[in-house]
Amino acid sequence: DGGITQSPKYLFRKEGQNVTLSCEQNLNHDAMYWYRQDPGQGLRLIYYSQIVNDFQKGDIAEGYSVSREKKESFPLTVTSAQKNPTAFYLCASSIGIKREGLRETQYFGPGTRLLVL
Amino acid sequence: AQSVTQPDIHITVSEGASLELRCNYSYGATPYLFWYVQSPGQGLQLLLKYFSGDTLVQGIKGFEAEFKRSQSSFNLRKPSVHWSDAAEYFCAVGEPAAGNKLTFGGGTRVLVKP
Repeated sequence: DGGITQSPKYLFRKEGQNVTLSCEQNLNHDAMYWYRQDPGQGLRLIYYSQIVNDFQKGDIAEGYSVSREKKESFPLTVTSAQKNPTAFYLCASSIGIKREGLRETQYFGPGTRLLVL
Repeated sequence: AQSVTQPDIHITVSEGASLELRCNYSYGATPYLFWYVQSPGQGLQLLLKYFSGDTLVQGIKGFEAEFKRSQSSFNLRKPSVHWSDAAEYFCAVGEPAAGNKLTFGGGTRVLVKP
């Protein structure tokens, strides 16, 4: 059953703590994305990766870090430098520009809700 | 920079009535346009997309959208709403020049009255 999985569903962070959100896909997609969702603001792009071992900052990358060591996985770390981390985090993937050209469609995972204790 | 505006934050509609959700965008080139739907606490599901060609696009769940270049709009419509259509709807513009990142509108929450 192909799809995008995100874990955990809920995550709690203490002050000064780094936490990592998992995103895995078995769709054989080249590109992966992380978005942050706050009420009334839609989704904002944090980081994206078009290929393994390469990624770019999105619009709100400060306080976040990512890695892309495997095609299937794109974990997001929320660092202690992110002062307002409470949000709903969504991971997405797409086939990739190289194989589909510019007319790509992004597909989303179920999300992780991060709360600060 | 491109932007997407969804003017209506909330819309309440009676079951069986028609629905139209507005979306206006600002983008210099030919836009790639998407509508997604999100149920509470869930991820986003693609309803439909427009890349080129016929400006009236059919999607899943009986939704359609019309691209109007002159008005910079991509409004979503459904002729007869079902209670299960209660959700939040997001319009998005794709930016091919920047890794195909999506810029989203703020969303419209749809409530369906019985």
